Amino acid sequence: NAGVTQTPKFRVLKTGQSMTLLCAQDMNHEYMYWYRQDPGMGLRLIHYSVGEGTTAKGEVPDGYNVSRLKKQNFLLGLESAAPSQTSVYFCASSYPPPGHRNTGELFFGEGSRLTVL
Amino acid sequence: KNEVEQSPQNLTAQEGEFITINCSYSVGISALHWLQQHPGGGIVSLFMLSSGKKKHGRLIATINIQEKHSSLHITASHPRDSAVYICAGRSYNTDKLIFGTGTRLQVFP
Repeated sequence: NAGVTQTPKFRVLKTGQSMTLLCAQDMNHEYMYWYRQDPGMGLRLIHYSVGEGTTAKGEVPDGYNVSRLKKQNFLLGLESAAPSQTSVYFCASSYPPPGHRNTGELFFGEGSRLTVL
Repeated sequence: KNEVEQSPQNLTAQEGEFITINCSYSVGISALHWLQQHPGGGIVSLFMLSSGKKKHGRLIATINIQEKHSSLHITASHPRDSAVYICAGRSYNTDKLIFGTGTRLQVFP
């Protein structure tokens, strides 16, 4: 069972370069999320999606764009990478959304470590 | 002050000890999650609870809504329990998860 798969797992970029992180889930989940994890801080939500074709901003969206063209995929793009975007990025999915009574368990990918020089 | 705070930040234990990790929150939440992050970085969901107590194997999670407090207990701890444990509350107002900064647990043989 694949669950949530992120690619790539590691990437080094130069300032100004662009890249896309791919998140794929095979659980037919409606909700997908992109978080970043930095030392000494809790996971912070970048963008999220509540279904195919929808996206919304989280708490730290600046410098990132996302797309959800297919239900199983959620892409995170950096158009012009900056050193401040050096972080570990996690994708997660759930159905129905966390906090609902039925389930809402979060499933995370393994993380993508991005370094911007 | 963070809306979700965990204590302690770091915890060491000898194998077999009973472990307690605490999570306090200052906002209204509809549910609270406990997550485990392994040294390799992967994050696994342990519990989601909105009231009372849940148990899975040696892990027990409790929540006290009135006191805005949750605890994660590990009985008969083992070195393989060494990980970072993260609590997260789903904000009742914004419907977003608010994460604590994690508790790093090391269990020595």
